[in-house]
Formats: sequence, structure tokens, C-alpha cells
Amino acid sequence: GESVGLHLPTLSVQEGDNSIINCAYSNSASDYFIWYKQESGKGPQFIIDIRSNMDKRQGQRVTVLLNKTVKHLSLQIAATQPGDSAVYFCAENSGGSNYKLTFGKGTLLTVNP
Amino acid sequence: AAGVIQSPRHLIKEKRETATLKCYPIPRHDTVYWYQQGPGQDPQFLISFYEKMQSDKGSIPDRFSAQQFSDYHSELNMSSLELGDSALYFCASSSDAGGNTQYFGPGTRLTVL
Repeated sequence: GESVGLHLPTLSVQEGDNSIINCAYSNSASDYFIWYKQESGKGPQFIIDIRSNMDKRQGQRVTVLLNKTVKHLSLQIAATQPGDSAVYFCAENSGGSNYKLTFGKGTLLTVNP
Repeated sequence: AAGVIQSPRHLIKEKRETATLKCYPIPRHDTVYWYQQGPGQDPQFLISFYEKMQSDKGSIPDRFSAQQFSDYHSELNMSSLELGDSALYFCASSSDAGGNTQYFGPGTRLTVL
């Protein structure tokens, strides 16, 4: 079936650098996308979301970019800190459903001091 | 701010036993979702409820059932447990007013021996 996938399973950056985590989705009917951060043994934590009528959305130190033409989503983290180390998942609303999310495979971000 | 509450946080069961997981959504959230996450895997959608009615269903085994009660809390009942049911089980909640953004609880770690 259609699913959301990530290009890179791991990403290692130096503290203070900018991080970019990428995600490809295949369900063109999905119109809502979310990035979650998950630390070991904890629940996914909402970071930022974007709807399909937008190309870019900014939060505190984070920016999400959506390219509907190539079905690509990215999360940019500015000035990455050790506390940002976690697994990052993108998720889509499963073809427009209001009642389920399809998650990608996750990218492990490691921030080196 | 109040978050999603799940209980118990840890549960150990024997094969063929039953288990009940509970979820208390964020106040004024009317929709709850259940996800299963195996080791190193992304969360997989099981089932969701909106206003006490099942709203969507994913890859939930027939041995599992769930419901949402009048106070909006939800329970996931799991019978004839198998070794492969060992996983983290997350509950999330959302409200229409919040744009359906799902907020996750801390999870219940189920271990089947």
C-alpha cells in the first residue's frame, strides 16, 4: 500500500550545525503532514505540522518544507543541540483521513557536542 | 498543560493471557487513536474513535478490541496474547478545534512471555 518513507535512517551532526531530515510520501490524497520527535522509551512528541495548501511553515528553530510536485517533506532544525538527539518521524493523514496517521520509518538524529 | 495519560506504563503477561490498556485523552479532546510500535519500528495505526464511535480501523488483530466511553477515555482489550504482541502501545488524542493534530501519550510497554 501507499506509505511515507524516509531517505536516511541516521544523521549525525555537530552541535550548532543545521540539520535537515527528509521524507518522501506517496499518497497524493494526503493533505496534512506532521513531524514528530521520539526519544527512547517515550511517546512521539509533536514538533510541527503543515497542510497541503502551504509550502513552508516555521516554528521555533524548526522549519517544515512541503514540495507537493515531488511529494517531498523536510524538517530543518537550526543550531542543533544535544537535546535534539532523537528519532524523527514524518507522518501523513493517510489519504486525507481525519482519523489515522501513516508514519514513515524514522531517522535517528545524533548531535555530537 | 495536561497530556494524554496511559495506564499501566508497563505490563508483563504470559502467552494466551488477556490485557487491558487504558487511555485518558487531553481534556476536551473527543478523538482517541491507538498505535502499536515494535522495537525499531514506526508506530502502526490500530484503531480510532470519535465521539465514542469507531472512526477508522487499521491493522488491528481480531483478538484485539477497543472502545471509547462516555467520559472519552478509551480501553484496548487484548486477548490470547502472543509473543509478537510485545510492543509499545501508544494512545493519542485530538480535537476538531485543534485541527486534528494528534498528541501522544507516554505509552504502555507490553511484554508477553
